[in-house]
Amino acid sequence: EVQLVESGGGLVQPGGSLRLSCAASGFTVRSNYMSWVRQAPGKGLEWVSIIYSGGTTYYADSVKGRFAISKDNSKNTVYLQMSSLRAEDTAVYYCVRAPLYYFDYWGQGTLVTVSS
Amino acid sequence: SYVLTQPPSVSVAPGQTARITCGGNNIGSKSVHWYQQKPGQAPVLVVYDDRDRPSGIPERFSGSNSGNTATLTISRVEAGDEADYYCQVWDSSSDHWVFGGGTKLTVL
Repeated sequence: EVQLVESGGGLVQPGGSLRLSCAASGFTVRSNYMSWVRQAPGKGLEWVSIIYSGGTTYYADSVKGRFAISKDNSKNTVYLQMSSLRAEDTAVYYCVRAPLYYFDYWGQGTLVTVSS
Repeated sequence: SYVLTQPPSVSVAPGQTARITCGGNNIGSKSVHWYQQKPGQAPVLVVYDDRDRPSGIPERFSGSNSGNTATLTISRVEAGDEADYYCQVWDSSSDHWVFGGGTKLTVL
């Protein structure tokens, strides 16, 4: 059974940093595209970043230069390092598997709140 | 960047057919995917590659895509279909994944 479990969310001050983790099971991150999608409170879905099986990465313009996606194939885990956080980064962050250009499995999400 | 436009809300009576549209420039040339999200839950993929259904998704959910509009059709709507629905594409020109703004389906 495919499972994605996010962790690492919480309250952080503006300008601060946070690292999210996504532990995958039932498949290997080594051979899949893995992505992060976020949802601000009461708002729609926003794609954040993706890492291809070979390691190529892409970012939404809103987070480029501040966020970094990575993975550890040996731990079957994906990460999102977030820095220079802003109030508008407040959202539930979902870890998702992307078999190609869509998202077939989603984690339950982890809430990141940026506030002083 | 590529923009997807959805109506904010659609209402339908139980047993009727709901159609949720997703507009984009020449969207017919792209593959469109649809997600259902119920309150407090993670999204669920209901249609991918315009018209294919993941295992476990009822045949009542179907999709089409042509010209500047893609459509998610839900036949014989049930109370349990009440949710937010999002369309999504991959924009090859920017290597960005794009979501529509979402449509709230209300079952009257």
